Amino acid sequence: KQEVTQIPAALSVPEGENLVLNCSFTDSAIYNLQWFRQDPGKGLTSLLLIQSSQREQTSGRLNASLDKSSGRSTLYIAASQPGDSATYLCAGGTQGGSEKLVFGKGTKLTVNP
Amino acid sequence: ETGVTQTPRHLVMGMTNKKSLKCEQHLGHNAMYWYKQSAKKPLELMFVYNFKEQTENNSVPSRFSPECPNSSHLFLHLHTLQPEDSALYLCASRSGTSLGDTQYFGPGTRLTVL
Repeated sequence: KQEVTQIPAALSVPEGENLVLNCSFTDSAIYNLQWFRQDPGKGLTSLLLIQSSQREQTSGRLNASLDKSSGRSTLYIAASQPGDSATYLCAGGTQGGSEKLVFGKGTKLTVNP
Repeated sequence: ETGVTQTPRHLVMGMTNKKSLKCEQHLGHNAMYWYKQSAKKPLELMFVYNFKEQTENNSVPSRFSPECPNSSHLFLHLHTLQPEDSALYLCASRSGTSLGDTQYFGPGTRLTVL
């Protein structure tokens, strides 16, 4: 059974800092790995999706990597801004692809002006 | 806006009440989902529908009853709930035409059971 863990649970950084959020998963037969953002009291917004055959994806200041052999993914945020403050969720797609996602508990990020 | 809407956004109900949550997607997707998000727990998948047919019931208690009349609408009927059912209930949809496509989430319904 796939389990996804995110560390740290919360992170507070000053504006402008580069930061890394970590995600680990137990089953290397992961189909894909997605990073979502959730603002307080709201739904999830997909940020990046990495297929199992890929090593990384980039979108603007965000870069996500996937290492299936070690069961790890990272989300790198460059030059953080207060608007980046949110909870970031990592989710692994199972054998059914994105049909069924297994989520971590998330990392709550606060970027201080 | 992701193209997935949920109503109501907030709901307070007693344990003996019957209420329904509604989800509508305007994306032409074929798969729809209900998730439960409780404090300090990962998102829990509840139900999956593909082309209006239920394809997943993740051992959800019968006091939660889903309904999918068409590919654009999904309901979650609630009755005789318990206080521990208080949570954010999220609906999502997915194209379903590719194994690698992402899910699009609605804003959620914050449910409080008294």
